[in-house]
Amino acid sequence: AQTVTQSQPEMSVQEAETVTLSCTYDTSESDYYLFWYKQPPSRQMILVIRQEAYKQQNATENRFSVNFQKAAKSFSLKISDSQLGDAAMYFCAYRSPPTSGTYKYIFGTGTRLKVLA
Amino acid sequence: NAGVTQTPKFQVLKTGQSMTLQCAQDMNHEYMSWYRQDPGMGLRLIHYSVGAGITDQGEVPNGYNVSRSTTEDFPLRLLSAAPSQTSVYFCASIKRGTGHGELFFGEGSRLTVL
Repeated sequence: AQTVTQSQPEMSVQEAETVTLSCTYDTSESDYYLFWYKQPPSRQMILVIRQEAYKQQNATENRFSVNFQKAAKSFSLKISDSQLGDAAMYFCAYRSPPTSGTYKYIFGTGTRLKVLA
Repeated sequence: NAGVTQTPKFQVLKTGQSMTLQCAQDMNHEYMSWYRQDPGMGLRLIHYSVGAGITDQGEVPNGYNVSRSTTEDFPLRLLSAAPSQTSVYFCASIKRGTGHGELFFGEGSRLTVL
């Protein structure tokens, strides 16, 4: 069975500094998607970044980038130039290939990021 | 474009009461799902649907019912609420065959069962 593990329940970063959130996963599939979602205090789940497993190039979205290591099954999120608005819970998620039109998503337990002024 | 709309945002129930969490999406997404979020446990799948008239159980289906009579709506019913169902509930959808793969979430519904 697929699993997603976020081993850091909480992280802190100084404003303007860089922080890396860790995520590992386990799957026997070769074609899948990985995501990072941000959940601010408003509770809304916001997509931060996605990575297709068949793409070797690491995804980047402005200050957010990932380090995707397929062989190691690792998918870390790097936030550069941290801002107060980055404070939130971050969830790593895995999506399996579709089976009979069904998508299986597995979420990690989350990492709470605090940004210190 | 409203996306995924959940109502109510907050609800307090007494043990044994029933209620329905509403979910509607206007993106013509075939796949819809319900998750619950509990501290330290991430999001867990309750029920999902791949299209109108088709539903199936997820990881934690006990105590919940769903139906999918239209593409747009996917209500979640609690037949006899229990304190263990105190949680934040999310409805999420995705268009089948999409090249992007991410779920679109509603704003969540916080349910407290006393």
